[in-house]
Amino acid sequence: KAGVTQTPRYLIKTRGQQVTLSCSPISGHRSVSWYQQTPGQGLQFLFEYFSETQRNKGNFPGRFSGRQFSNSRSEMNVSTLELGDSALYLCASSFIAGSYEQYFGPGTRLTVT
Amino acid sequence: QQPVQSPQAVILREGEDAVINCSSSKALYSVHWYRQKHGEAPVFLMILLKGGEQKGHEKISASFNEKKQQSSLYLTASQLSYSGTYFCGTAGIQGAQKLVFGQGTRLTINP
Repeated sequence: KAGVTQTPRYLIKTRGQQVTLSCSPISGHRSVSWYQQTPGQGLQFLFEYFSETQRNKGNFPGRFSGRQFSNSRSEMNVSTLELGDSALYLCASSFIAGSYEQYFGPGTRLTVT
Repeated sequence: QQPVQSPQAVILREGEDAVINCSSSKALYSVHWYRQKHGEAPVFLMILLKGGEQKGHEKISASFNEKKQQSSLYLTASQLSYSGTYFCGTAGIQGAQKLVFGQGTRLTINP
């Protein structure tokens, strides 16, 4: 069974631009969560989607948004990029929503200059 | 609130044992343990649910003391492949997917 895939793997953007990251969960998994990982803050929860609905949201500004499609694929968007948005963005999928085991993708390394 | 992991880093020789602790100030429903190797995604190790059960995974096991809101990860007879950063993620509500992760414990196993 294929794992979680994320595209692109690396991205360099300029301050003020916007970016869209994509995540394809493991086949059959309907829940997708997004995390931001930085050396200073560690792994921080962004949001979780299940059946195209946002179930949970972390403490991030409104510049961070996401959505999930009917095939469970998910995208997250960051508008008006700031230098502090440079991070590894990880997507994790699980079979159902709730506190169950999550399988992480390789992440997208975003660098904002 | 972010759980606190201790120690922050530990260096062992192959074959030695290690214990990594995860403490929360909030009541916990579940504790999740992950290992992340440098440049790779976190890999799921195990979940412990409210009830104080202990779980095992090869030579890696964990316990969950819900009264103390603490979990400990035990690595026995460590192998080189155990090197990496270990994270605990906690959830305070059944069915809540919002995991809050600790800062991680960097484990280095030397030959």
